[in-house]
Amino acid sequence: QQQVKQSPQSLIVQKGGISIINCAYENTAFDYFPWYQQFPGKGPALLIAIRPDVSEKKEGRFTISFNKSAKQFSLHIMDSQPGDSATYFCAAKYDNAGNMLTFGGGTRLMVKP
Amino acid sequence: DSGVTQTPKHLITATGQRVTLRCSPRSGDLSVYWYQQSLDQGLQFLIQYYNGEERAKGNILERFSAQQFPDLHSELNLSSLELGDSALYFCASSVAVNSYNEQFFGPGTRLTVL
Repeated sequence: QQQVKQSPQSLIVQKGGISIINCAYENTAFDYFPWYQQFPGKGPALLIAIRPDVSEKKEGRFTISFNKSAKQFSLHIMDSQPGDSATYFCAAKYDNAGNMLTFGGGTRLMVKP
Repeated sequence: DSGVTQTPKHLITATGQRVTLRCSPRSGDLSVYWYQQSLDQGLQFLIQYYNGEERAKGNILERFSAQQFPDLHSELNLSSLELGDSALYFCASSVAVNSYNEQFFGPGTRLTVL
């Protein structure tokens, strides 16, 4: 059962544009929603994360918008740069004994110069 | 560099064989996680250890097993390998098991089963 659905699978954006990646989740027990960035040949790295008690979190050019009632959250990358070209994964986890991450399917972002 | 090390980087083996993947967590991290990344299944949680004890199991096959040693390094053992086991295997570590502890991922081991 895919508990976190991510879209689109791939995204091409011009330099300076806004990249938007969306995720939807099913399990209402999730209480932490991180986004990971992965470059080819590397492991995922935490980019930004949000808890469900806030609707938005901004760190530099990266913003998470969170809609608890719709069970959706999204990543906005403002002023997208070629160096942002990577695969982005949304994830979710809840405070159970294991603390495991449930990942979305990933979005391959390409920012054209 | 996340501080998590994984060896080997690449592993090529044949069906039916057994391999061991090794992970050293960041200094001070007590919890280790194993994930599998494949084209068709994406990134999937396999298993977690905390200070030597198994804490959670995900979609881990019975042919797979793991352990965490007293020095906190972990090994993932994959046996009776099948073509479909070809994937990237990531290890991650965190300080503890609190829901908000960041997980730091290693560079992965790419397993190819021929």
